[in-house]
Amino acid sequence: AQTVTQSQPEMSVQEAETVTLSCTYDTSESNYYLFWYKQPPSRQMILVIRQEAYKQQNATENRFSVNFQKAAKSFSLKISDSQLGDTAMYFCARRGGGSEKLVFGKGTKLTVNP
Amino acid sequence: SQTIHQWPATLVQPVGSPLSLECTVEGTSNPNLYWYRQAAGRGLQLLFYSVGIGQISSEVPQNLSASRPQDRQFILSSKKLLLSDSGFYLCAWSVGEHNYGYTFGSGTRLTVV
Repeated sequence: AQTVTQSQPEMSVQEAETVTLSCTYDTSESNYYLFWYKQPPSRQMILVIRQEAYKQQNATENRFSVNFQKAAKSFSLKISDSQLGDTAMYFCARRGGGSEKLVFGKGTKLTVNP
Repeated sequence: SQTIHQWPATLVQPVGSPLSLECTVEGTSNPNLYWYRQAAGRGLQLLFYSVGIGQISSEVPQNLSASRPQDRQFILSSKKLLLSDSGFYLCAWSVGEHNYGYTFGSGTRLTVV
């Protein structure tokens, strides 16, 4: 089975500091897509950032960036200058190059403390 | 712009009663549509997906079924709810290239009592 693993069920960080959330995945494909979603207490799923496996450059969206290590099948999310509004569940997800399906990890609950 | 509507937001149903959750998408044509379930404190489990009208793929055999009667309408149903059907149900859509993720609806919190 093609799996996505998030090994940190919960994490906390102080406001304005930096935190990194880990994600590893299993795939036999050479072309695929990776995503981080945020689910705040409202439970609305929000796309944070995406990475295409054939691109070596790490994706960046404002305070959010990824460290994509293709050989290691690792896709971590770094949040810089953490804000209280970053408190949420964060899900890592993978979509195969020829697949319609998005496979999610079990999530990491991030709490940003004032 | 594309929007996705999902209703109701909250639902409390007795065991054995039927279920119908509806999801509609606006502003796009021929979307791929998905139903996910999220149990309390857990990740998202794909239940059904559809790439076109009347085309339904089931990921998990269970008490639920899905239908797509129109291009931008996706319905999740059950004839008789079980306690284990409680959870948070999310509809999502995608279109075009696979490098785009899904766009999710706001979800339905279902409690079976």
